[in-house]
Amino acid sequence: DAGVTQSPTHLIKTRGQQVTLRCSPKSGHDTVSWYQQALGQGPQFIFQYYEEEERQRGNFPDRFSGHQFPNYSSELNVNALLLGDSALYLCASSLRPLGKTSTDTQYFGPGTRLTVL
Amino acid sequence: TQLLEQSPQFLSIQEGENLTVYCNSSSVFSSLQWYRQEPGEGPVLLVTVVTGGEVKKLKRLTFQFGDARKDSSLHITAAQPGDTGLYLCAGVPSGSRLTFGEGTQLTVNP
Repeated sequence: DAGVTQSPTHLIKTRGQQVTLRCSPKSGHDTVSWYQQALGQGPQFIFQYYEEEERQRGNFPDRFSGHQFPNYSSELNVNALLLGDSALYLCASSLRPLGKTSTDTQYFGPGTRLTVL
Repeated sequence: TQLLEQSPQFLSIQEGENLTVYCNSSSVFSSLQWYRQEPGEGPVLLVTVVTGGEVKKLKRLTFQFGDARKDSSLHITAAQPGDTGLYLCAGVPSGSRLTFGEGTQLTVNP
């Protein structure tokens, strides 16, 4: 049973460019959340997708957008990259949107390390 | 202002020592979770505490949820080098989304 997978593992971009990160959820999971983790910090919630729609969003600008496909996989797109966007981007999947049940468990992927030069 | 405050931020100890990591908030949480993250990997869930005053044990790790459900602690007995990692607490405040603390970086030296 494959866990959460993310691609690519590492990515180097320059300021102003656009990037797309991909995530496949754990088998049986229908909800995908994306997080940004800067070096030495805890993960910060970007947004959550369920039933192909963005259900919740954190305090991130519109440059950050996403998509969920019918097979529950998801993409995170970041436009007009800034140096401050350099971080580990984590994808997490769960059986249902978080907050519905207090004991919901998220499973995290290994992340994509994005470096913006 | 961080919703979940973790302390200490860094901890370096010798193998065999005991330690406690704290996670505090002014908000009430329906549950709190503890994760461990190793370099190059995503966080891995260790435990979820739900009831105020609840204590859960996972081998040498003891997790406690405060009576008012605003704080939690993680105690490790006889730490081992394999315990090295970033320990994160996380919770879902009422009507909101999963929020993480900034983490405690633990290093256990042999």
